[in-house]
Amino acid sequence: GQNIDQPTEMTATEGAIVQINCTYQTSGFNGLFWYQQHAGEAPTFLSYNVLDGLEEKGRFSSFLSRSKGYSYLLLKELQMKDSASYLCAPRPMGGGNKLTFGTGTQLKVEL
Amino acid sequence: DGGITQSPKYLFRKEGQNVTLSCEQNLNHDAMYWYRQDPGQGLRLIYYSQIVNDFQKGDIAEGYSVSREKKESFPLTVTSAQKNPTAFYLCASSRGVRPSLSQETQYFGPGTRLLVL
Repeated sequence: GQNIDQPTEMTATEGAIVQINCTYQTSGFNGLFWYQQHAGEAPTFLSYNVLDGLEEKGRFSSFLSRSKGYSYLLLKELQMKDSASYLCAPRPMGGGNKLTFGTGTQLKVEL
Repeated sequence: DGGITQSPKYLFRKEGQNVTLSCEQNLNHDAMYWYRQDPGQGLRLIYYSQIVNDFQKGDIAEGYSVSREKKESFPLTVTSAQKNPTAFYLCASSRGVRPSLSQETQYFGPGTRLLVL
């Protein structure tokens, strides 16, 4: 089975750095995606990790440790528009391109 | 411009009625997916299709049906057998080329919110 754990809510200040953690247990592992979803809108792709380490993309970075079943999304220089839900989605092995989504972390950025 | 469209944005269903949600993509993607999202829950896979004329059940297929007669279209029917259909329905697509070896990003449409009267 699949089990994904993310904090439900986080609050941070504009301009700060925030780290959103995700732990997972899947049937094999074939990469992990992070998506951003604003309220009432579709999820949009942020990052993909398949090997251990840090992938940096502008203000957003994503880290993966396969041995620990752990990933995090790092958001720097927070802006008000970063207030959204962040979804961790590991891809199990052998399921084609099926993803398993966590419940998401609702991030609120305050002044 | 390329993308995924879903219609309608809001849909109302009466008791015992079947309704069909539209999903169209012009990205030339082979694979398409339907998810359901409920408050406080993650996206759950209803059905997916990796190629025309073929589709597979996801984790919560009961009460739903799909067809994949054309590459660009993957309509979802919510049947009267689905007892709790109120949710946000999201369609997604991906290229579909050998996902076991590649980043195979799913791109989402804007969603349809289904409400039961």
